[in-house]
Amino acid sequence: EAGVTQSPTHLIKTRGQQATLRCSPISGHTSVYWYQQALGLGLQFLLWYDEGEERNRGNFPPRFSGRQFPNYSSELNVNALELEDSALYLCASSLVGNPTYEQYFGPGTRLTVT
Amino acid sequence: DQQVKQNSPSLSVQEGRISILNCDYTNSMFDYFLWYKKYPAEGPTFLISISSIKDKNEDGRFTVFLNKSAKHLSLHIVPSQPGDSAVYFCAGIIFQGGSEKLVFGKGTKLTVNP
Repeated sequence: EAGVTQSPTHLIKTRGQQATLRCSPISGHTSVYWYQQALGLGLQFLLWYDEGEERNRGNFPPRFSGRQFPNYSSELNVNALELEDSALYLCASSLVGNPTYEQYFGPGTRLTVT
Repeated sequence: DQQVKQNSPSLSVQEGRISILNCDYTNSMFDYFLWYKKYPAEGPTFLISISSIKDKNEDGRFTVFLNKSAKHLSLHIVPSQPGDSAVYFCAGIIFQGGSEKLVFGKGTKLTVNP
């Protein structure tokens, strides 16, 4: 069974540009989560999508947005990039209703803003 | 305000001995706790979870203990193996109004020496 996939692996942008990151969940999983792992800050929850709807949002500005498609894949968009947006962005998926709420993570997209 | 704290950024143990990773939390509303393991260049992998109504959960070499009165949980790995060397994240889940909030600690880097 294929795991969570993310693309691209690396992304280099300049300040002020927009970045689009993509995630495909495990087959059968309807929930997709996005996290930011910046240096020294651990994993910070960004967004949760389930069945195409945004269910929850972390403490990030509105220029961080996303969507979930009918096939449950997801995009994370970051507008007006700032230098501090440089981080590893992780996507995870889960099967809603799993009482342990296991989340299966992808390998991440390394975003570098110069 | 960091609700989940892993105060030890690193831990080093000898192969065959016990590894104890600690996690403290400040919000008594957490319903579940999870531990994830992360190797370099890979996404985190779910390890073990515990419900807030339990005080212990065991899975092979991994045992998680929860002390609600102290707002403290720990992950025990016995016996430790070199392949256990990774960063371990503790996370808490709060279920609120039909949505969930997942909060991660900053992680502890475990090194198991042969």
